[in-house]
This record gives sequence, C-alpha cells and structure tokens, in this order.
Amino acid sequence: RKEVEQDPGPFNVPEGATVAFNCTYSNSASQSFFWYRQDCRKEPKLLMSVYSSGNEDGRFTAQLNRASQYISLLIRDSKLSDSATYLCVVNFNTNAGKSTFGDGTTLTVKP
Amino acid sequence: GAVVSQHPSRVICKSGTSVKIECRSLDFQATTMFWYRQFPKQSLMLMATSNEGSKATYEQGVEKDKFLINHASLTLSTLTVTSAHPEDSSFYICSARDQAYTSNNEQFFGPGTRLTVL
Repeated sequence: RKEVEQDPGPFNVPEGATVAFNCTYSNSASQSFFWYRQDCRKEPKLLMSVYSSGNEDGRFTAQLNRASQYISLLIRDSKLSDSATYLCVVNFNTNAGKSTFGDGTTLTVKP
Repeated sequence: GAVVSQHPSRVICKSGTSVKIECRSLDFQATTMFWYRQFPKQSLMLMATSNEGSKATYEQGVEKDKFLINHASLTLSTLTVTSAHPEDSSFYICSARDQAYTSNNEQFFGPGTRLTVL
C-alpha cells in the first residue's frame, strides 16, 4: 500500500462546478499536510496547508480527518485556470522535513 | 515569498557525460534541501535530502555514487548526475525549507531542470 494515496482521476468538470479530492495516508503519526498544485511541465506550488480544524482560502477548502487518516480539498465555482494536477503531501516527521507526495489528481475544467 | 532557483532549466547531453544541476535559495537560508525526480505522468519521488555541511541522505534505491550531492553553503546545493544514461532522462526538482521557520514544513520548489540524455 502506498504511503499517500489519492483519487486517481482525471476529473473533468464544467466551469462553475464544485469538485472534491480525497487523499489517504497510512502513517498515523503524520505531522503536517499540504495540497500543492502542479501545472504541466512546471514545479509544484503550495496551494494551502491543511489544519486540524479545517481551513478555507477563497474557493478552496481543505479538511483533515486524523481518525480516518484522510485529507480533502474542495474547490467551489471551478475556473478554467483551476485545471492542473493537485498533489497531496504528507510529512511524517517534522524534524526530518521529508515529504511524501501522492501521485496527484488531474483536474480539467471545461467551458 | 521565498524563491528557489535552479540552473540550468533544460539540458540535453550525450550518454556517458556528467551533468551538474544547481539549486539556490535566493532570499533565505536553507540548511536542508531536497532533490526530487519526476517521470512523465508520475509524482515526485524524493531522491535525497541535502544537508549543509554534511553528507546527503539518500532514499532507498538511489545510487549515491551516481547522483552526487554537495551542499556547500546555506544557499546552494548541487546535484551531479554522473555518467548519465537515457534512463536518467527526467525532470529534476529541488526544494528548500526556510530555516527561520523550522516549525513550518512548507517547501519552496525550484522551477526544475529537464534532463534529456541522448
């Protein structure tokens, strides 16, 4: 089993749609969680950190469920510019700082 | 925000040659940098953790003698792919953490280096 697993996708949605991605992690001692966005042939860029209480940034909402060991990302009112690959990232050890990436979920928003 | 640069952005070389990739943190100091490799349609795979002033820590399955890492200063880490072969063709990305914010595990990524070995 992979340490971090994501919805395989791809997700193809119309503009304005709401879409949700899930990500599960295997190590219950995981410390910190992030969603990154990666555009084609570019480096990943941080979209948002995920906090225990859940957090929202505009159209994006991230949630963490430690009991079930998953995190989610909700995108409301999808825009064409949201088309990208979304990477779930989990840090298992704060001191080491190593991150484990999910395989990513590809989102395509169509007009 | 924190900026990480990589050089070169793209390199094409002949099989058997060595290629050096630089990763620099431009506006912050990084005691730790990470080197990743990404093949098409796959996720980032951590190759090694680069530690300033000490030896790099390699992930299982990554040959340390083939992928030489040097982290000589708080703002520069280099990855040298020695005797490159076509199977080494990939997208190499570095990242760094800002040591001023040790409680924050956010990593700042360089723009990546696309290596093609002919």
